[in-house]
Amino acid sequence: RKEVEQDPGPFNVPEGATVAFNCTYSNSASQSFFWYRQDCRKEPKLLMSVYSSGNEDGRFTAQLNRASQYISLLIRDSKLSDSATYLCVVNEANAGKSTFGDGTTLTVKP
Amino acid sequence: GAVVSQHPSRVICKSGTSVKIECRSLDFQATTMFWYRQFPKQSLMLMATSNEGSKATYEQGVEKDKFLINHASLTLSTLTVTSAHPEDSSFYICSAAQGVGNQPQHFGDGTRLSIL
Repeated sequence: RKEVEQDPGPFNVPEGATVAFNCTYSNSASQSFFWYRQDCRKEPKLLMSVYSSGNEDGRFTAQLNRASQYISLLIRDSKLSDSATYLCVVNEANAGKSTFGDGTTLTVKP
Repeated sequence: GAVVSQHPSRVICKSGTSVKIECRSLDFQATTMFWYRQFPKQSLMLMATSNEGSKATYEQGVEKDKFLINHASLTLSTLTVTSAHPEDSSFYICSAAQGVGNQPQHFGDGTRLSIL
């Protein structure tokens, strides 16, 4: 079993749709959590951190459930520019090491 | 925010050439940097963890004599692909984080390496 698992998709949604991605992690001692987006042939870019209380940034909402060891990303009112691969990232406590999920591919269509 | 610069962004060279890639943290000090490789339509694969002033830690299956890592200062790590062959063609990306544990990694722009 992988340390960080994501549904690879692809998710194909129309513009304006709401889409949610889930990610599970196996290390219960994991300390911090992030969502990145990666466009084709580009480096990953930090989208948002994920906090226990949940956090929102515009159309994006991230949630963390430590008991069930999963994090989620909700995108509302999808735009064409949201098309990308979304990577779930988990940091081990004090290890300075991040574990990446394989990514979920989203395509938003007109 | 934290900025990581990677150079060069694109390299095309002949088989047998050694290629050096630089990764710099521009506005913070990074005791640890990471080197990844990504083949088309595949996931990021961690190659090694670069530690300032000490030897890099390589992931299983990554040849340390093939991929030489030097982390000479708190803002610079280099990856040298020695005697590169076509199968080494890939997208190489470095990253660094401010501190450890609860900080996100910030990535360089990546280097697209093509070996002819």
